[in-house]
Amino acid sequence: DADVTQTPRNRITKTGKRIMLECSQTKGHDRMYWYRQDPGLGLRLIYYSFDVKDINKGEISDGYSVSRQAQAKFSLSLESAIPNQTALYFCATSDLNGHNEQFFGPGTRLTVL
Amino acid sequence: RKEVEQDPGPFNVPEGATVAFNCTYSNSASQSFFWYRQDCRKEPKLLMSVYSSGNEDGRFTAQLNRASQYISLLIRDSKLSDSATYLCVVNFLTGGGNKLTFGTGTQLKVEL
Repeated sequence: DADVTQTPRNRITKTGKRIMLECSQTKGHDRMYWYRQDPGLGLRLIYYSFDVKDINKGEISDGYSVSRQAQAKFSLSLESAIPNQTALYFCATSDLNGHNEQFFGPGTRLTVL
Repeated sequence: RKEVEQDPGPFNVPEGATVAFNCTYSNSASQSFFWYRQDCRKEPKLLMSVYSSGNEDGRFTAQLNRASQYISLLIRDSKLSDSATYLCVVNFLTGGGNKLTFGTGTQLKVEL
């Protein structure tokens, strides 16, 4: 079984809809992250969390919100989706005691029409 | 200037060749460095970590030059299965904790 899972894997939605992406991990890591990837750009950090109920903004948090209610779960919400949020979204985890090596989920491909 | 810069490629090499990628970074406070491999439409997967001057794992060797602020990845005896995009990733400490900055990747195509 995969250590980091994401649901859904693919989603097509319409402008203005609310959508939630879920991430779960069995690695026992404290730290979790949400990134988006666009063609020609590196992965960009949206939000991150170092512990349950700890929430920190990344470099592109506008238009997104997150929730960390349990160590193993970190959800990303788009309150009112817009077309430029069409991207590949990755969840990642890292160990508090490591060098910040991050381990990624399989990704969610989101299309906003 | 980008924080992490890589040649996007593609590098087209024959099977069995040796190929090297370079990556430069701008933040001298960077602490640790990684190479990730990413296949098309898949998640990045950690290939190598570099904490001191370098690291070797089988056919893969990573070198770090802190004075010149660059990291390299050498792949010997290239296999068809090495075809992928290689991401250079730099970790540095900020007021909000450790932060990874990703390069846009170098594409490798290994051909028969």
